[in-house]
Amino acid sequence: NAGVTQTPKFQVLKTGQSMTLQCAQDMNHEYMSWYRQDPGMGLRLIHYSVGAGITDQGEVPNGYNVSRSTTEDFPLRLLSAAPSQTSVYFCASSQLAGVRNEQFFGPGTRLTVL
Amino acid sequence: AQKITQTQPGMFVQEKEAVTLDCTYDTSDPSYGLFWYKQPSSGEMIFLIYQGSYDQQNATEGRYSLNFQKARKSANLVISASQLGDSAMYFCAMREGHRSSNTGKLIFGQGTTLQVKP
Repeated sequence: NAGVTQTPKFQVLKTGQSMTLQCAQDMNHEYMSWYRQDPGMGLRLIHYSVGAGITDQGEVPNGYNVSRSTTEDFPLRLLSAAPSQTSVYFCASSQLAGVRNEQFFGPGTRLTVL
Repeated sequence: AQKITQTQPGMFVQEKEAVTLDCTYDTSDPSYGLFWYKQPSSGEMIFLIYQGSYDQQNATEGRYSLNFQKARKSANLVISASQLGDSAMYFCAMREGHRSSNTGKLIFGQGTTLQVKP
């Protein structure tokens, strides 16, 4: 199993450009989510999904869109990049049934917006 | 609203000694789960240990144990016999809901950077 994969690993954008961060998991997890990590602020939830066709906003959704057409994929779209979106982005997935259901994280994407 | 607080931005520990990383939480949901993750300098997030709000005993996973004090709303991570490879950032996280009411959402604390000295 590859687990959770993210592409690209690094990206530099200019203000106003759009792009899509890719995330895929091969563990048949119902739950998928996107976080951003900024220094001193831990990880903050951007958007999440509890299954194909179902998405919802997290703590910091502005400027980002998501969709979930399959169980495996959960892309994050930046509509018009701003310097405030410079961050490290993590995708994570987990089961929903059961008790522990720890989240498995991708390796992260380091995004710089100039 | 749920909240996780880690009050120690940085900690030092001597190799082979034990260290406690603090975590307090706030929630009105009687059902919740508490997690600790490790983030080494390479950047990946590694799950360490889980404690459910209804668990009667403190969780243990190898050298990691969770000192769960429900009345105080604290879930401190104890690392015994520290190793140089334990140097990393550590995050405490909470998920509200349990089993059928689980939304999966995690909220994270700000993290504690641990440095192990040889």
